[in-house]
Amino acid sequence: GIQVEQSPPDLILQEGANSTLRCNFSDSVNNLQWFHQNPWGQLINLFYIPSGTKQNGRLSATTVATERYSLLYISSSQTTDSGVYFCAVNDYKLSFGAGTTVTVRA
Amino acid sequence: EPEVTQTPSHQVTQMGQEVILRCVPISNHLYFYWYRQILGQKVEFLVSFYNNEISEKSEIFDDQFSVERPDGSNFTLKIRSTKLEDSAMYFCASSLRTGGYEQYFGPGTRLTVT
Repeated sequence: GIQVEQSPPDLILQEGANSTLRCNFSDSVNNLQWFHQNPWGQLINLFYIPSGTKQNGRLSATTVATERYSLLYISSSQTTDSGVYFCAVNDYKLSFGAGTTVTVRA
Repeated sequence: EPEVTQTPSHQVTQMGQEVILRCVPISNHLYFYWYRQILGQKVEFLVSFYNNEISEKSEIFDDQFSVERPDGSNFTLKIRSTKLEDSAMYFCASSLRTGGYEQYFGPGTRLTVT
């Protein structure tokens, strides 16, 4: 199956800092999604991004499908951004990475 | 905005008991999925379902698991005889089509087997 690797595994930020999370995948895929898992365990859809760049408020994402990676940018981080960020590649089913745990300190 | 709903949000059961987890997918979606996440681990695919049949299942989805769409709105996951290792968060998802279409996730059911 497709391998999905996320880096870094853990990230500690001071409030207001910017950061970049990376997702590499081992094979060509139909699509890619980014999720944020909140402290209650819910998976919140952030982006559905097969290629190109999308922005939603302080978050943006870029997928370069030909090079098999995607990046998630968090700008001006807030404590509410804390949680685990997952990327998942979509080839009839979603294959998830292990996630990046982000902790934003006030 | 339409959303996927799941009930219950948390279920506690004893080992060996049967549990049924319920999901209501987005109404015009045709493909349905179950995923699970053991505490501290990544989310894993269990099964996909289309046109009243299983499309694909993982090696986790053994004979103890079954899925059903009993009516036009609900989609259920049944675990016949729960084990301690079935304790996990179970997510239902749906998509309009397959082959790379966006999957929309429900809030999850946290299953605790004691």
